[in-house]
Parts: sequence; C-alpha cells; structure tokens
Amino acid sequence: SQKIEQNSEALNIQEGKTATLTCNYTNYSPAYLQWYRQDPGRGPVFLLLIRENEKEKRKERLKVTFDTTLKQSLFHITASQPADSATYLCARGGSYIPTFGRGTSLIVHP
Amino acid sequence: DTGVSQNPRHKITKRGQNVTFRCDPISEHNRLYWYRQTLGQGPEFLTYFQNEAQLEKSRLLSDRFSAERPKGSFSTLEIQRTEQGDSAMYLCASSLVQGAINEQFFGPGTRLTVL
Repeated sequence: SQKIEQNSEALNIQEGKTATLTCNYTNYSPAYLQWYRQDPGRGPVFLLLIRENEKEKRKERLKVTFDTTLKQSLFHITASQPADSATYLCARGGSYIPTFGRGTSLIVHP
Repeated sequence: DTGVSQNPRHKITKRGQNVTFRCDPISEHNRLYWYRQTLGQGPEFLTYFQNEAQLEKSRLLSDRFSAERPKGSFSTLEIQRTEQGDSAMYLCASSLVQGAINEQFFGPGTRLTVL
C-alpha cells in the first residue's frame, strides 16, 4: 500500500527561524504531493502542490521540494511566526484517493 | 472559510443511536469526499462521489456507514448503531478535478462523541 510518513514529534523553533518539515513516501512516486495546514478543531487548508517533475515550488514564505530519489518532500517556512503554529499534513495525489500522513505539529515560540 | 460547510459541528450521542451528518460542497465542484480523523492522525478516507455516483468506499468502512449525494449537490453520511470507536472528527472535502490535479477544499468537520 502507498504510505505517507511524517515525523510524529512536534517541531519547536524560535520566531524568525526557518522551519523544515519532512514527508516520506513509500513505493512509487506519486504524481504530486500536497501540503495542508490544520488548526485545532478545524479542517485542513490547502497550501501548496508540487508535481513529480518539479524540484521546488514557492509561495510567499513557503517552499516545498520533491526528491524522487530520496522519496521525500521537504516543507519550509522561512521567517517563521507564532501564527504559523499548526499541524502540517502531507498528502500524496495522482490517484482518485489522496493519502494523508498523520501530520507534524509546528510550534513557533516568540 | 473554504466555502464547504458541514452540519452539525458537534454531535454527542449514546451508543446504539443513529446519526446523520450533512456536507454542502462548493457548488461547482464535481467531487466530494468523506474522511474520518482521530486525534494525532491524518484524515482517513471513507468514501467519495463523482457528481451523484458513489465511486469508491474504503474497505475499512463498516456496513453501518452509508453515504448519499442526491442530485450531485449536498451529501449526507449516516452511521447506524453507533459505537464508541466511531468517536472522531468527520471531514468533508470537495474538489473540481482538472486533469490529474485534485485540490481539495475541506469543511470545518463534525465532531462526533459516542457515549
């Protein structure tokens, strides 16, 4: 089965630093990977999508990479702010049914 | 607000009761998904619709769960004879599939507590 693995431990960083979250997938590369943000008690919100043939995608302070050799995507938030504190979910796409990871909690300390 | 609404937002019920949740997707979206999410886990796929047709159900989905999407608009998810293990957040998402891209817009979820 196709799995998405994300670090279950929370990531704690200081405001202003760059946060880097990891998403690893198993078996074949998905056509694309998506990153979502989820706040407590709310539904996930789409952030970025990166296709298999793209190395990197940027949106404002966000950057996502896709490494098919390592079977890994990295999600970066530069100049992090306390308001960035949330759980970030990675999902593999390309089939009819996206598969989500369990998410990684990011805590940005002022 | 993503444009996807779910009702109710919270539901507390006793074991053995039936519950029904509703999802109103973004109107022009042709695909609708139901997920279940428990604490510390990502959304787990339950079922999805393409317009009014239910195209796939998770193998993990008990026969006590049923979903409908009459006329390809809103959708309902019913759980019969609820069990304590059904306690979770139930999420609905809609998407307008273009090519191979399936960007999903999630609703706020319905939190179910089975006592």
